[in-house]
Amino acid sequence: GENVEQHPSTLSVQEGDSAVIKCTYSDSASNYFPWYKQELGKGPQLIIDIRSNVGEKKDQRIAVTLNKTAKHFSLHITETQPEDSAVYFCAASSDGGFKTIFGAGTRLFVKA
Amino acid sequence: AAGVIQSPRHLIKEKRETATLKCYPIPRHDTVYWYQQGPGQDPQFLISFYEKMQSDKGSIPDRFSAQQFSDYHSELNMSSLELGDSALYFCASSLGIGDNEQFFGPGTRLTVL
Repeated sequence: GENVEQHPSTLSVQEGDSAVIKCTYSDSASNYFPWYKQELGKGPQLIIDIRSNVGEKKDQRIAVTLNKTAKHFSLHITETQPEDSAVYFCAASSDGGFKTIFGAGTRLFVKA
Repeated sequence: AAGVIQSPRHLIKEKRETATLKCYPIPRHDTVYWYQQGPGQDPQFLISFYEKMQSDKGSIPDRFSAQQFSDYHSELNMSSLELGDSALYFCASSLGIGDNEQFFGPGTRLTVL
């Protein structure tokens, strides 16, 4: 069945450093790849997304890259801040499909 | 801006009881998704509705059912509750086909004793 693998499960960085989270997906029909940030006690919040017709997308300190051939996509956070500490989930779905498959999540700690 | 509303926020039930969770999507959103998230786990897709009809089904147990009403709100009905049903249940909404961006609600924490 469809599967999304996410690494690492835990990531600790110093404030100001960069953080990179990587995901791979199995369903070749997937063409929409959102990234969610979940803080304790809250629902996942979309922070950035990318579609398969784009290789890279950037929004201020956050960027996402997609390699559709390798079925691989990554989240890059630059100049990390303590408030970036949270659990980050990658996900994959397809246009016209309503099922979104989430990765297992990465717990990011940003040390001040 | 209006967000997804879920009620109740917390619910405590005994084994074998029933529970009903409600979700009110963002205005004009016609698609609703339900997810179950266990402690330290990723959200697991349960079921979705588009224009009041079931659009996709995930790992939803047969003991659970859901529907979307004419005002687009949705209810998740859970019967014969088991201890393992204790989890956070999230509802998300989107504009449906062609726009996958999902907006999540704050969740309902269900505890089964």
